[in-house]
Parts: sequence; C-alpha cells; structure tokens
Amino acid sequence: AQSVTQLDSHVSVSEGTPVLLRCNYSSSYSPSLFWYVQHPNKGLQLLLKYTSAATLVKGINGFEAEFKKSETSFHLTKPSAHMSDAAEYFCVVSDPDNNNDMRFGAGTRLTVKP
Amino acid sequence: ETGVTQSPTHLIKTRGQQVTLRCSSQSGHNTVSWYQQALGQGPQFIFQYYREEENGRGNFPPRFSGLQFPNYSSELNVNALELDDSALYLCASSLHGRRSDTQYFGPGTRLTVL
Repeated sequence: AQSVTQLDSHVSVSEGTPVLLRCNYSSSYSPSLFWYVQHPNKGLQLLLKYTSAATLVKGINGFEAEFKKSETSFHLTKPSAHMSDAAEYFCVVSDPDNNNDMRFGAGTRLTVKP
Repeated sequence: ETGVTQSPTHLIKTRGQQVTLRCSSQSGHNTVSWYQQALGQGPQFIFQYYREEENGRGNFPPRFSGLQFPNYSSELNVNALELDDSALYLCASSLHGRRSDTQYFGPGTRLTVL
C-alpha cells in the first residue's frame, strides 16, 4: 500500500529566502504524486503534479518539485518565499494498486517571516 | 466555469444521528471524491464516484455511504454519528476517474458531533 511522509510538520523561512518542503513516499508501482496548498478557510489548491513524464515538475506561483525514484522523494522547492506563501502544504500519492486511493501526508505548515 | 460547491458550510449534530452532505462538481466533471480532514491532519480518502458508480473506497466503515446523481452532483451520508466523525468534509471533482487527474476541491463542510 502506498503512503506519504512529510518530514517536517512546520517550516519557517524569511521572506525572500528559499523554501524546501520534504516528502517521501512509498508505493508499489509508478505513482502519481501531487502537492496541494491549503490557505486558512479556503479549499485545497493544486500546486503541481507528477505523472511519469519529466522528473522536474514546475507548478504555479514559482514552486517546483523533483521526482527522485532512487530516493523515493518528491520535495517541493521555491527559490524565494513570499508572505502569501504562508499556508499548509500537502504531499499526495495516488497508486493504481489501491483503487484510486489518494493518500495525503500529514501536512507541513509554512510560516514566512518578514 | 463554476467551481466545486458544498453545502452546508457548517453543521452540528448529536451522537447517533444521521447527516447528509452535498457537493456540486465543477462544470464538465464526471468524477467526485470525498475526503475527511480531522483537525491538524491531512485529508483521508473516503470514496470516489465516477459516472454514478462507486470507483474506489478508502478505509471507512459502511455507515459512510454516497450517491452520485445524473448531473454528477453527489451526496455523502453518514449514519450513527460518532464523536470522532467531527471533521471537515471535502469534496473534489475531476474530469475522469483516473488516478492522475487533477482534483478540484470545494471549501468543505465543517461537521461537529456533540
């Protein structure tokens, strides 16, 4: 069965510095991987997704993630944090062996300091 | 293009009661998925409906049931409510029932069970 581990429950950065949110996955097959963002009192929004095409995936708002099969990782990065990036971020894996079950990580809360 | 909508926004029930939550999918989408998000946790997949048929189910008991209508809107029904059912219930729609599809989330229904 697939699973997702987000290695940090909380990340704090200063505005203008790089962001790194870490995600490791476990899957029995070639997975689809996603990053979603959840702002307070708003619905989840897709940042980017990997579906076995290019391993470096570019998303919205300057975010990108790299699929590394050897490390079973899918870390989310952004070169320069903005105050509006403060939110909860979820890494998600979808595995065909589990009947469309989308597994969310526990989330990483990103705080951006001025 | 109309986004995913959910009703009601908030709901308070007592233990043992039954509840029905509703979701209207985004225009043109034929797949709806339901998730439960407990406070401080990532969403957990309940089930998915594709063209009015259940198309995958997570680890939830049978008292969680659903329906999808010909217009692809959907209901989530929960019988015999328990205190642990208190959570944010999220609905997401997608274009097809494929694991790689982008899901578009509604704002959620906050259920409190007393």
